Amino acid sequence: GENVEQHPSTLSVQEGDSAVIKCTYSDSASNYFPWYKQELGKRPQLIIDIRSNVGEKKDQRIAVTLNKTAKHFSLHITETQPEDSAVYFCAASLQYGQNFVFGPGTRLSVLP
Amino acid sequence: ETGVTQTPRHLVMGMTNKKSLKCEQHLGHNAMYWYKQSAKKPLELMFVYSLEERVENNSVPSRFSPECPNSSHLFLHLHTLQPEDSALYLCASSQDSRLGPKGEQFFGPGTRLTVL
Repeated sequence: GENVEQHPSTLSVQEGDSAVIKCTYSDSASNYFPWYKQELGKRPQLIIDIRSNVGEKKDQRIAVTLNKTAKHFSLHITETQPEDSAVYFCAASLQYGQNFVFGPGTRLSVLP
Repeated sequence: ETGVTQTPRHLVMGMTNKKSLKCEQHLGHNAMYWYKQSAKKPLELMFVYSLEERVENNSVPSRFSPECPNSSHLFLHLHTLQPEDSALYLCASSQDSRLGPKGEQFFGPGTRLTVL
């Protein structure tokens, strides 16, 4: 089955700097990759996703890149703000109906 | 905040108790999920009810038993749990189709379970 790894497990950046979180997956057939953000004491929420026919996707300060050959994808947050502090989970699944496999999460702290 | 609700929000139980967690979704979705969130495995899928099919993670012990009476309600029945079962139990729902990707997972607030 699919296995998703995520690095780093914790990340601290200064406010205004960029943050990058990387994930690798094992099943080359996976072709849908969402990212979820979970603030302290709150539920996980989808922030961005990418499908295998796209190499990069941006939404304001957030971008995700995908390298299917290397089986890795990354989340990039630019101009980080304190409200970006949270745990971020990557996930992978097949496009047709397979359940998500989540990575172990990255705890991001944005220092003022 | 009312899309997916869970009750109770906190539960403390002994190892010999029987209790149930309840989840309700008001989004008109056709799939519901139970996840276990702990320090060891941050988001571990336990059970799925999707498109009238039940899928389960084979590693989930039989002391956890799901029930999905309709597409809006999901229960997790608990009996003779162990202290290591203490965790946050998250319910989620999504709109799935047979020919497309899994829909976005909408999570509930979770039930914080402590087993003494």
